[in-house]
Amino acid sequence: AQKITQTQPGMFVQEKEAVTLDCTYDTSDPSYGLFWYKQPSSGEMIFLIYQGSYDQQNATEGRYSLNFQKARKSANLVISASQLGDSAMYFCAMREIVRTGANSKLTFGKGITLSVRP
Amino acid sequence: EAGVTQFPSHSVIEKGQTVTLRCDPISGHDNLYWYRRVMGKEIKFLLHFVKESKQDESGMPNNRFLAERTGGTYSTLKVQPAELEDSGVYFCASSQAFGGGHHEQYFGPGTRLTVT
Repeated sequence: AQKITQTQPGMFVQEKEAVTLDCTYDTSDPSYGLFWYKQPSSGEMIFLIYQGSYDQQNATEGRYSLNFQKARKSANLVISASQLGDSAMYFCAMREIVRTGANSKLTFGKGITLSVRP
Repeated sequence: EAGVTQFPSHSVIEKGQTVTLRCDPISGHDNLYWYRRVMGKEIKFLLHFVKESKQDESGMPNNRFLAERTGGTYSTLKVQPAELEDSGVYFCASSQAFGGGHHEQYFGPGTRLTVT
């Protein structure tokens, strides 16, 4: 079974500073993918970034980067140069990578609330 | 291109009543997923369709929940009869391909269900 742990309480960051949101995971699957989603107050879930378990480099997407430490089973999201619009709830998720085609559901953590202060 | 849409956005019903949630995935996406988030808890997987077939329904909580995807297009999730613990936000997601690789799931805005 897969498990995602997000234990940080509400996080606060000053505008223009960087912030790290923690995510640890547990799985017995040899191949998996890690995702981060953002959920603003409007409610929609917005995909931010993806890291494959066999990817050699840490994923980056604009101001988002993923600090992937496979041995420690952590996949922390780093947001650089925070903006007021980054205030939202952030979910870490994972799924098994199955090439023959089977279950590809996402397993989510509880989420972390980020508030950006002006 | 239109995103995943869900209807209604909010539903308030009494315990024992029936509610049907609808999801329209992104056009051409064979995979359709239902998830649910109960207040303060994780988003939990309910089930997964590939076209019109149920690929995985391991997350369905009990037989009061019935999901269908007629013709492999839109999907409905019916709760009958609704109980208080069914309250939460129901998300639908769709994805383009099946199997390995990136293939992120695109989520709809969710339906907030309140059972009183």
